[in-house]
Amino acid sequence: SQQGEEDPQALSIQEGENATMNCSYKTSINNLQWYRQNSGRGLVHLILIRSNEREKHSGRLRVTLDTSKKSSSLLITASRAADTASYFCATGLAGGGNKLTFGTGTQLKVEL
Amino acid sequence: GAVVSQHPSRVICKSGTSVKIECRSLDFQATTMFWYRQFPKQSLMLMATSNEGSKATYEQGVEKDKFLINHASLTLSTLTVTSAHPEDSSFYICSARGPLAEETQYFGPGTRLLVL
Repeated sequence: SQQGEEDPQALSIQEGENATMNCSYKTSINNLQWYRQNSGRGLVHLILIRSNEREKHSGRLRVTLDTSKKSSSLLITASRAADTASYFCATGLAGGGNKLTFGTGTQLKVEL
Repeated sequence: GAVVSQHPSRVICKSGTSVKIECRSLDFQATTMFWYRQFPKQSLMLMATSNEGSKATYEQGVEKDKFLINHASLTLSTLTVTSAHPEDSSFYICSARGPLAEETQYFGPGTRLLVL
């Protein structure tokens, strides 16, 4: 089974609101990354958090990591219509040779 | 920097034919590239890891004779879907480890394959 499970599967919010997506995983990781995918396109790397880090910020993005609960969250503040996309977490496993295992993804829709 | 391209972006072929997809790192050398497959509204599934100058490492359940991977140079990996069938229709995405061999992967725009 896939390493990461994300919830919610789909999220619809109004522009200006915050969006929170959660990711859970099953085994020990080296790092956890969040990627964004616009429909029918490739993925864009958003942020990487290492297993010894608890929180990271990048612009309007805030990522947390709780290794004891094997979970991570991605918060997008002050969302914009252009943030509409699918968001995936991906885990780099300890000893995994730089392979990434992707979660199920959250489809975010930001409405005007 | 760290741009990855794929060609073609879309391909339609008849059942039984072979299709080659190219993945190029445009402004950096990539000793390791990855090939993924994605079905509609689903996540990415890693098919194989492509290593420059050596054989690819396939994930469990992926037929290596069906999906031929060649990483002949530091900027090019190819995936050939041999004797394609309708069930091979999917979105194929490649990625490359960043120029500093960091953990981040840089993704190509994907190739949509439709087998009739």
